[in-house]
Amino acid sequence: QVQLVQSGSELKKPGASVKVSCKASGYPFSTYGLNWVRQAPGQGLEWMGWINTNTGKPTYAQGFTGRFVFSLDTSVSTAYLQIRSLKAEDTAVYYCARVRDPRYYYFDYWGQGTLVTVSS
Amino acid sequence: IQMTQSPSSLSASVGDRVTITCRAGQSMSNYLNWYQQKAGNAPKLLMYAASTLESGVPSRFSGSGSGTDFTLTISSLQPEDSATYYCQQGNISPYTFGQGTKLEIK
Repeated sequence: QVQLVQSGSELKKPGASVKVSCKASGYPFSTYGLNWVRQAPGQGLEWMGWINTNTGKPTYAQGFTGRFVFSLDTSVSTAYLQIRSLKAEDTAVYYCARVRDPRYYYFDYWGQGTLVTVSS
Repeated sequence: IQMTQSPSSLSASVGDRVTITCRAGQSMSNYLNWYQQKAGNAPKLLMYAASTLESGVPSRFSGSGSGTDFTLTISSLQPEDSATYYCQQGNISPYTFGQGTKLEIK
């Protein structure tokens, strides 16, 4: 069965970096794009962008350029989200999510989420 | 594209018919998707292309609409439907979500 399994919670100090992983299984990894979605505490869902798992090309939503980096390791079917120069406002749950049909752009499978807490 | 859901929250009884509305800032045909998120869990896809039920989702959920106005309906509310519901436009990047509708069971 399709699964997206993310790495565990992280506690980081302001200015540090964090790398969240999303390991896919149960389907051909390069077939579907992987997206990242942020949910700040008590808030709604915010699309951060996606990475083409076939070409490795990332696309970032406005507001997620510069400090945010999407990457892949296709040998282990894993996508990564790195956040540099962490700020308190980066505290959130980060989800990876697969897009089944790019025409309608809906997320059919989600990782369990990774809580990143930024605090001194 | 801004997505606006109404109401922001509602409380209903088991067996009630519940409707949640999502309005898009511009016309988008049927490129509208719905998710259910229970506390502490990842969102779950309920509906895509406005009215297509995702496999495994109970048939009491239905979706309708086109253009700018869309609805998610639960025909007979069940206790396990307590959750926050989000619409999401799949028409154009950035793929924005509504602010959510928190549904509580009386």
